Amino acid sequence: DQQVKQNSPSLSVQEGRISILNCDYTNSMFDYFLWYKKYPAEGPTFLISISSIKDKNEDGRFTVFLNKSAKHLSLHIVPSQPGDSAVYFCAASSADYKLSFGAGTTVTVRA
Amino acid sequence: NAGVTQTPKFRILKIGQSMTLQCAQDMNHNYMYWYRQDPGMGLKLIYYSVGAGITDKGEVPNGYNVSRSTTEDFPLRLELAAPSQTSVYFCASSTDSYGYTFGSGTRLTVV
Repeated sequence: DQQVKQNSPSLSVQEGRISILNCDYTNSMFDYFLWYKKYPAEGPTFLISISSIKDKNEDGRFTVFLNKSAKHLSLHIVPSQPGDSAVYFCAASSADYKLSFGAGTTVTVRA
Repeated sequence: NAGVTQTPKFRILKIGQSMTLQCAQDMNHNYMYWYRQDPGMGLKLIYYSVGAGITDKGEVPNGYNVSRSTTEDFPLRLELAAPSQTSVYFCASSTDSYGYTFGSGTRLTVV
């Protein structure tokens, strides 16, 4: 059973515009959420995270929002740049350092 | 500073053959993990370790074995390769935080 779901397999956005990636989870015990970015032929790299005690975390062009009541989080990238073209994975954990991953969303930033 | 090193990068196995996927980290991380990624799916946890001499099963352990004799190394063993084990395998490590450092992956094909 997929506890972390990314329902949009792909997203195409124009350079300079906002990219919004969505993620839903089913396990109410999850208390820490992360986003990873992956380029082809490389391993995922950590991008940004948020604890369940917060509803927003910002790091430069990247902001993650958490809506616990809806069991939903999103990643905003503003402005989108060509180097942001990659696969983005949402991940969640319940305080045991093991992560459950979504299937990923492929972002393509058009010039 | 190498981070997490996985070898080999690519391998083709025949059904029934055995092999070991190597993983080494030089960051003195206590936690190490093996994930597999199938097309259109998120990363699934195979095995993990919280320190030398301690290992435990993840979500999809069948057909695999691991050992952790040192802090640095966490090899993954496939005893009788099956086509269902065709996948990309990622090793990762972390401290007591959730920010994993991933290796670049091993692409395994079983024919």
